Amino acid sequence: RKEVEQDPGPFNVPEGATVAFNCTYSNSASQSFFWYRQDCRKEPKLLMSVYSSGNEDGRFTAQLNRASQYISLLIRDSKLSDSATYLCVVNPTQAGGTSYGKLTFGQGTILTVHP
Amino acid sequence: DTGVSQDPRHKITKRGQNVTFRCDPISEHNRLYWYRQTLGQGPEFLTYFQNEAQLEKSRLLSDRFSAERPKGSFSTLEIQRTEQGDSAMYLCASSLTLGSSYNEQFFGPGTRLTVL
Repeated sequence: RKEVEQDPGPFNVPEGATVAFNCTYSNSASQSFFWYRQDCRKEPKLLMSVYSSGNEDGRFTAQLNRASQYISLLIRDSKLSDSATYLCVVNPTQAGGTSYGKLTFGQGTILTVHP
Repeated sequence: DTGVSQDPRHKITKRGQNVTFRCDPISEHNRLYWYRQTLGQGPEFLTYFQNEAQLEKSRLLSDRFSAERPKGSFSTLEIQRTEQGDSAMYLCASSLTLGSSYNEQFFGPGTRLTVL
């Protein structure tokens, strides 16, 4: 089983649509969770962190369900510029609760927003 | 530009040759990471340094791979006797990490390696 699993898509949606991405992770001790965005042939960039209580940043909402080991990202009112690959990312935690530092990425979900 | 830089951006080599990549992290970032990304996959962790100390190496890092960060600033990743399976994007990232907390990793543009 992969440590972080995502539906690879692709998702093709019209401008203005709402789209949701899901992700599951296997390490129940993980403490830090993120969504990264990667444009074609570019490096990944942090989109947002994911907190236990859920958090929102403009049109983007992230949710975490620790019991189910499930992370989600909701994008409302999609824009053409949202077209990218969205990577679900987990920062594993070692015994004692300290961070390993490394990031574990899902394979990414491709989103294309069309006019 | 004060972001993470990598050199070269592209490298084409023949199977069996050695290649070396360089990463310059954001100034004063104490942690430096190497990842590898193949087409259609997310980046996979290879190794990381805290200052000049290499703290962890992935099982993906075979004995043909070696990484250094001699002065705790820039880092090099060398691949000896390259194989076609080494073709990938090699990404470097850095962070300023204090204690046990997580801090954002900033990625460089990557070095795309093609092994013929």
